[in-house]
Amino acid sequence: GEDVEQSLFLSVREGDSSVINCTYTDSSSTYLYWYKQEPGAGLQLLTYIFSNMDMKQDQRLTVLLNKKDKHLSLRIADTQTGDSAIYFCAESIRNYGQNFVFGPGTRLSVLP
Amino acid sequence: KAGVTQTPRYLIKTRGQQVTLSCSPISGHRSVSWYQQTPGQGLQFLFEYFSETQRNKGNFPGRFSGRQFSNSRSEMNVSTLELGDSALYLCASSFGDENEKLFFGSGTQLSVL
Repeated sequence: GEDVEQSLFLSVREGDSSVINCTYTDSSSTYLYWYKQEPGAGLQLLTYIFSNMDMKQDQRLTVLLNKKDKHLSLRIADTQTGDSAIYFCAESIRNYGQNFVFGPGTRLSVLP
Repeated sequence: KAGVTQTPRYLIKTRGQQVTLSCSPISGHRSVSWYQQTPGQGLQFLFEYFSETQRNKGNFPGRFSGRQFSNSRSEMNVSTLELGDSALYLCASSFGDENEKLFFGSGTQLSVL
C-alpha cells in the first residue's frame, strides 16, 4: 500500500540550514506537500510541489523533488527558533479512497 | 477570511460514552476531511465528506461516523468510547477538486478516561 517515510528527529543550530527528507511510494501522486505543526495546533500548509517540477523556492523554503527515486526534501535556510515544530510530508492519493497520506513527521529542534 | 473552526477545543469523556465534534470549513470549501492524530499512529484518515456525501473512508470501525450539512459544516461522532480513542481529532477543508490543498483546524483534543 501507499506509505510515506521520514526521519523522526532533526536538530540544527540557529542560522544553519535544515534539510528534512521524505520518501513516498505512489508514483501517481499529482502533488506533494509539506505541513508544519506547532505544539497544540493543527497543521499549517507550508508549501507544495507539482509532480512535474523538480524544484520550488518560496522565500526561505526550497523543495526538491526526485521523482525517479520518489524522494522529496524541504530545505529551510537560516533556521530560526520559531521554526521548531513537527514537519509532515504528504501525498495526495485520491484513487485509493483516501485523499492524503501523511508521513510520521520530523520533529525539528533549533538550538540557540 | 476565517479559517477552519473546530469545537470544542478540549473534551474529557469516560469509556462507553459518545461524543460529537464539530467543524466549520473555510467559506466556499465543500470538502471536509477528518483525521485522528496520536503519538503512536501519527495522522490517520477517518473520512471525507463532499456536498453532504461521504466520498472517501479510512479504516476505522463503525463507531466512528460523520455527516455534512448543506452549509458544508461537518460533525463527527464516536460512540461507545474506548481508552484508545484518546487523540487529537483534526478537521481539514478544501474545495474538493483534484488540485487541492488541505487547510486544517486547530483540532479537538479528546481524552477518554
